[in-house]
Amino acid sequence: GAVVSQHPSWVICKSGTSVKIECRSLDFQATTMFWYRQFPKQSLMLMATSNEGSKATYEQGVEKDKFLINHASLTLSTLTVTSAHPEDSSFYICSARRLAGANTQYFGPGTRLTVL
Amino acid sequence: QKEVEQNSGPLSVPEGAIASLNCTYSDRGSQSFFWYRQYSGKSPELIMSIYSNGDKEDGRFTAQLNKASQYVSLLIRDSQPSDSATYLCAVNRGNTPLVFGKGTRLSVIA
Repeated sequence: GAVVSQHPSWVICKSGTSVKIECRSLDFQATTMFWYRQFPKQSLMLMATSNEGSKATYEQGVEKDKFLINHASLTLSTLTVTSAHPEDSSFYICSARRLAGANTQYFGPGTRLTVL
Repeated sequence: QKEVEQNSGPLSVPEGAIASLNCTYSDRGSQSFFWYRQYSGKSPELIMSIYSNGDKEDGRFTAQLNKASQYVSLLIRDSQPSDSATYLCAVNRGNTPLVFGKGTRLSVIA
């Protein structure tokens, strides 16, 4: 299989605080992980691509200083939403691509962030 | 701008019928094609991948690819109410991130 986990599955925080979301590939090594955001009834929006051991590549319009991504190992990437505001409330989903083989992306279950 | 187009739906089919979902893409160099299913409030789940022209079958699902027409489709046979979801078409070339369509909402009516 190709299982990707995310933690936490949901989080509520106060405006101005920072939130860290973890994404792990449980049964495979992932050279590349992707972070998406999805607002209600809207399509997936790619935020950034992260490769193990290097800096993330952010999509146009995504603030890299606000959304900090760290991909420290072949099985773990983290997204930190710094100084969160209510407009950051969204469904954050990571996906991972295997080290070897086909370039299929496998998705984690997502993290629902609510900023009060 | 690389684009993937899908009819947003909703596509309504009766239980037991064949549901046909379509997708076109703009990047002629696309090499890999995927269909994902997304239930409301959940993350996308991979259904099928296809890389060469023709049909690929997996259980009740058949993916069809026509690179000359830049067209990929998904057929769901014997549709069930549990198939009701949004179906996302995604394509890429090489190691680039997947480009997703906005999805087609399928409703299977019992």
